[in-house]
Amino acid sequence: DAGITQSPRHKVTETGTPVTLRCHQTENHRYMYWYRQDPGHGLRLIHYSYGVKDTDKGEVSDGYSVSRSKTEDFLLTLESATSSQTSVYFCAISGSTNYGYTFGSGTRLTVV
Amino acid sequence: ELKVEQNPLFLSMQEGKNYTIYCNYSTTSDRLYWYRQDPGKSLESLFVLLSNGAVKQEGRLMASLDTKARLSTLHITAAVHDLSATYFCAGPSGGGADGLTFGKGTHLIIQP
Repeated sequence: DAGITQSPRHKVTETGTPVTLRCHQTENHRYMYWYRQDPGHGLRLIHYSYGVKDTDKGEVSDGYSVSRSKTEDFLLTLESATSSQTSVYFCAISGSTNYGYTFGSGTRLTVV
Repeated sequence: ELKVEQNPLFLSMQEGKNYTIYCNYSTTSDRLYWYRQDPGKSLESLFVLLSNGAVKQEGRLMASLDTKARLSTLHITAAVHDLSATYFCAGPSGGGADGLTFGKGTHLIIQP
């Protein structure tokens, strides 16, 4: 998607290992978000950021941490991956909520 | 905390027919978003509805918002196969920067 990229696109990791997903934007948007998507649940908010070093928890934040050291990057870390964190993770950005949110292409994470 | 309910969750229809997807939400909100997702893909923004009575149309899709009834609708006119996708509605979780709360999505299949 234009202006927002996620990496990696796919990852398989073992239970108990740390994992970091990266979201990079070139739009200079203030707001960034991490969601997870699971069958039957739609998308659920994990964490969000409203500026450099300003982050807050979302609906399903347990087991996840985030960091935003510069405007363009928002990192999601699973400190010790569990099978319940197998999911598709989407990053989103917004410059103004009046104009909606743009989503990245997603990261498919499998924890075995 | 906003709750968003979509119905139906699954819809199979024939080309050429009309249908409506409903999105009810639990707390007062002056904005509502509609997204489309194709299998294995990201979310594509369809409509951003910003006020009571807002109506937007794009091709065969039309979305409306009634904030008093806490209801948004996505109407499909003369459906074509290319509109087969999952459609999500979402509303602001709590206002400001704290992201969106999504419905569970409507999986739409349009058959020739």
